[in-house]
Amino acid sequence: DAGVTQSPTHLIKTRGQQVTLRCSPKSGHDTVSWYQQALGQGPQFIFQYYEEEERQRGNFPDRFSGHQFPNYSSELNVNALLLGDSALYLCASSPTGGSDYGYTFGSGTRLTVV
Amino acid sequence: GNSVTQMEGPVTLSEEAFLTINCTYTATGYPSLFWYVQYPGEGLQLLLKATKADDKGSNKGFEATYRKETTSFHLEKGSVQVSDSAVYFCALNSGGYQKVTFGTGTKLQVIP
Repeated sequence: DAGVTQSPTHLIKTRGQQVTLRCSPKSGHDTVSWYQQALGQGPQFIFQYYEEEERQRGNFPDRFSGHQFPNYSSELNVNALLLGDSALYLCASSPTGGSDYGYTFGSGTRLTVV
Repeated sequence: GNSVTQMEGPVTLSEEAFLTINCTYTATGYPSLFWYVQYPGEGLQLLLKATKADDKGSNKGFEATYRKETTSFHLEKGSVQVSDSAVYFCALNSGGYQKVTFGTGTKLQVIP
């Protein structure tokens, strides 16, 4: 049973460009959350998708947007990239059912903005 | 708002030593508490969890007890191994929509 799959694993972009990161959740999970993890820091919540809608959002600018598809997979888009957007982007999936469940994380996409 | 505070690392221990990583939290309501582990170059893995006061989560020799009176969830292991070297994150979820708040992480290095 595959866990959470993220692509690509590594990405280098130029300042001002746009990027799309992809995530396939664990089988049986319908909720997808995205996190940004800067080097040496804990993950910071970007947003969460459920039933193809953004259900919660963290303190990130509108340059960060997302989408969830009917098969529960998800995309994270970042426009007008800044050097400070360089980080590990983590996708986490979970089943519906409340706060008792932990996340299943993917291995992340390492984004470098130059 | 919700927050998690962890002891700063890195923590360096000899193999078979006793491990404690302190974690305290601030949250509304009655949060669920988690410990995640991140090995080099990988994503986070759920290590253990506790969903109500006085619950003890355990896995792979690690334990943590949900202490509501001290708002703490300290991670312990009786005898660490080199393979336990990783970064450990304390986290909480106080909302029904599973938005999880993480601490800054504590790096553990175990030397033979």
